[in-house]
Amino acid sequence: GQNIDQPTEMTATEGAIVQINCTYQTSGFNGLFWYQQHAGEAPTFLSYNVLDGLEEKGRFSSFLSRSKGYSYLLLKELQMKDSASYLCAVRDLAAAGNKLTFGGGTRVLVKP
Amino acid sequence: NAGVTQTPKFRILKIGQSMTLQCTQDMNHNYMYWYRQDPGMGLKLIYYSVGAGITDKGEVPNGYNVSRSTTEDFPLRLELAAPSQTSVYFCASILSGASYEQYFGPGTRLTVT
Repeated sequence: GQNIDQPTEMTATEGAIVQINCTYQTSGFNGLFWYQQHAGEAPTFLSYNVLDGLEEKGRFSSFLSRSKGYSYLLLKELQMKDSASYLCAVRDLAAAGNKLTFGGGTRVLVKP
Repeated sequence: NAGVTQTPKFRILKIGQSMTLQCTQDMNHNYMYWYRQDPGMGLKLIYYSVGAGITDKGEVPNGYNVSRSTTEDFPLRLELAAPSQTSVYFCASILSGASYEQYFGPGTRLTVT
């Protein structure tokens, strides 16, 4: 099975930087995903990491260390619209159907 | 493209009633999924399908059934609704096993009382 841990909630100030950590345990790692979910809405895809290192996409970056079972999502120059839940998900090599296992999500509150 | 659509948006069921949640995608995606999300929690996989005529159980399949007669449609059936099935249900699709971005529908908010 898989175990994914991420903090429940984080608060940050507009314009600042926030780092959301995700640790996972899986028997056969085949990719880590980050999704953003605004309250009352569906998740939307943010990033995908399968190799170690940092992937940058505008104000958002995602980092992966496979040996440590660790990823983080970095949100820079925070805006009020970044207030949302951020879901970490892992794909297992042995999982048929391209299935993802999701963590519980981290709710980020951006304050003025 | 409409993407992934779900109906209804909201529904209240009495204990023991049955209903079908509809999901349709117009992207010609092969893989489709049903998730449930309880308040403040992540997504739990109920059932998935890798193509028309092929379905399989996910993490929490008890109390649900699915069918996939066409590529576009993937309905989720609740038989004998229970309060524990109160949740938000999301349908998602992805082109193939090599793809990585799942596209989600807007969700169905279900309350069982």
